[in-house]
Amino acid sequence: KAGVTQTPRYLIKTRGQQVTLSCSPISGHRSVSWYQQTPGQGLQFLFEYFSETQRNKGNFPGRFSGRQFSNSRSEMNVSTLELGDSALYLCASSWNRDGYTFGSGTRLTVV
Amino acid sequence: AQSVTQLDSQVPVFEEAPVELRCNYSSSVSVYLFWYVQYPNQGLQLLLKYLSGSTLVKGINGFEAEFNKSQTSFHLRKPSVNISDTAEYLCAVRLLLFSGGYNKLIFGAGTRLAVHP
Repeated sequence: KAGVTQTPRYLIKTRGQQVTLSCSPISGHRSVSWYQQTPGQGLQFLFEYFSETQRNKGNFPGRFSGRQFSNSRSEMNVSTLELGDSALYLCASSWNRDGYTFGSGTRLTVV
Repeated sequence: AQSVTQLDSQVPVFEEAPVELRCNYSSSVSVYLFWYVQYPNQGLQLLLKYLSGSTLVKGINGFEAEFNKSQTSFHLRKPSVNISDTAEYLCAVRLLLFSGGYNKLIFGAGTRLAVHP
């Protein structure tokens, strides 16, 4: 069974640009969550999608958005990038609420 | 507000020694509890989880944890560590709410375990 696939693994962008990250969940998993990990703030919840609907949202500015497609694949978008957006972005999928499988993450560097 | 506290940011230990990584949480509702391990530039791998039942939970790689409801703790233990256990360990909780779709993990700041030969 394939795991959670995140693409790309590494990304370098300049301030002001926008970026789109992709997450393919484990087959059969309908819930996809996104987290941001930084040395200063640790792991913070961004949002969760279930059956193409955003079900929960963390405390991030509106520049952070996401969506989920009918095949459960999810994308997150960050517009007008800031230096502070440099982080490891992790995606997790689950089919019930007691198990989460994480991908390897996308390392975003904003210069 | 709900929170997770990992009391030690770094734990150095010698190979084959026992180790305990501490985790305390604050919540007004019932929770599920998780321990994850993270190797450099990698995602999170689930070590073990407590959902219900026996308070002593066994996980992968010889790790175990004990849920203590009165002390709101979920400490992780291993009787004898290996060099390969060197990694970041993260404790997390998920709140159990009956209304709404409150489905997110709240993580502690992490504990870096460094195993020395």
